[in-house]
Amino acid sequence: EVQLVESGGGLVQPGRSLRLSCAASGFTFDDYAMHWVRQTPGKGLEWVSGITWNSNTLDYADSVKGRFTISRDNAKNSLYLQMNSLRADDTALYYCARETFDSGAFDIWGQGTMVTVSS
Amino acid sequence: DIQMTQSPSTLSASVGDRVTITCRASQSVSNWLAWYQQKPGKAPKLLIYKASRLESGVPSRFSGSGSGTEFTLTISSLQPDDFATYYCQQYDSSSPWTFGQGTKVEI
Repeated sequence: EVQLVESGGGLVQPGRSLRLSCAASGFTFDDYAMHWVRQTPGKGLEWVSGITWNSNTLDYADSVKGRFTISRDNAKNSLYLQMNSLRADDTALYYCARETFDSGAFDIWGQGTMVTVSS
Repeated sequence: DIQMTQSPSTLSASVGDRVTITCRASQSVSNWLAWYQQKPGKAPKLLIYKASRLESGVPSRFSGSGSGTEFTLTISSLQPDDFATYYCQQYDSSSPWTFGQGTKVEI
């Protein structure tokens, strides 16, 4: 079964750091670009960051640039998001998602991991 | 960044209705447009990619059309399982991925 499972979320104080992980299974992980997308409770979707299959290209939303770092370990079939200098408006459900070949769409999503930034 | 605007924000409909949701881009995205369905407590599900291509396993009552800056998602005959929130999303190489604000389809 093709699956993405996120972990690492939790309650963190403003200014602190958190590292999210996404474990992939059921497909050839290093064939695909991967992304993080977040959703504020009751609100819409916001793309956060993306990484190509070989890590050559990293993209970030302006709202997280300079604070978040995306990475992957193809040997471990894993995607990561290092989040530093967290702010209250980073509070959201964070999904990892697989990008399809040649369409820019996201065809596989995890169940999400919740990040709450609060003192 | 390219902005995506969906209309309407909320849509009231009945089972069997034909439903159309519109998504407008602030600049051309060619056909790099996808549609997702999201139900409460669940991750988004890809319905349509490249504006009009139906994702495998998605019922044929869903269809997408458009190019450039204006796109539509049509549900030909609304079913009980279709009550959900729908999002459009663009991908253009000159701009990061962005989503529309969502359209909630309710009874």
